[in-house]
Amino acid sequence: AQKVTQAQTEISVVEKEDVTLDCVYETRDTTYYLFWYKQPPSGELVFLIRRNSFDEQNEISGRYSWNFQKSTSSFNFTITASQVVDSAVYFCALSEARNVNYGQNFVFGPGTRLSVLP
Amino acid sequence: GAGVSQSPRYKVTKRGQDVALRCDPISGHVSLYWYRQALGQGPEFLTYFNYEAQQDKSGLPNDRFSAERPEGSISTLTIQRTEQRDSAMYRCASSLALLETQYFGPGTRLLVL
Repeated sequence: AQKVTQAQTEISVVEKEDVTLDCVYETRDTTYYLFWYKQPPSGELVFLIRRNSFDEQNEISGRYSWNFQKSTSSFNFTITASQVVDSAVYFCALSEARNVNYGQNFVFGPGTRLSVLP
Repeated sequence: GAGVSQSPRYKVTKRGQDVALRCDPISGHVSLYWYRQALGQGPEFLTYFNYEAQQDKSGLPNDRFSAERPEGSISTLTIQRTEQRDSAMYRCASSLALLETQYFGPGTRLLVL
């Protein structure tokens, strides 16, 4: 069974600090996809990134960066120079290719609530 | 449309009433998913469609819950004889195809009194 763990329930940082949100996943499949979504206080779910299991290159997008390490089954998310607008709940999600016929191929972690204080 | 839309945004109903929640996916998106999100938790899968076919409904809690997508576009999630424990945010998502990125609607917040 697939599983996504986000061990950090809540994190508080002061503006301009760097912060890393951890995501550890479990899967028996060799082909899978990892995602991060942001849920700001307004409630919508905003897509941030999608990564497939064959691409371990780290990715940077502005202040956001992602570190994918298959050896430790982790897909961590770092925000550099955090801002108050980064305050949100962040969800990591996993999708397995072999479960392509079943909707439960998309599993969310419990989320990490990030508070960035001014 | 530009994104996934859902209606109503808020629904307050009395226990025992039926409710119908609507989802209008992004144009051209083949796959459509329904999730339920309790406060402080991640979305939990309910059911999904590929075109008009309901491929998996194993996440539906019980037989009071049903969903349809008759023409492969708009979908309706129906909850019959609502109970207080059904109160939650119900989210719809669509994707170009299976395993592609899912884009979420704003959700319908259901409150059963």
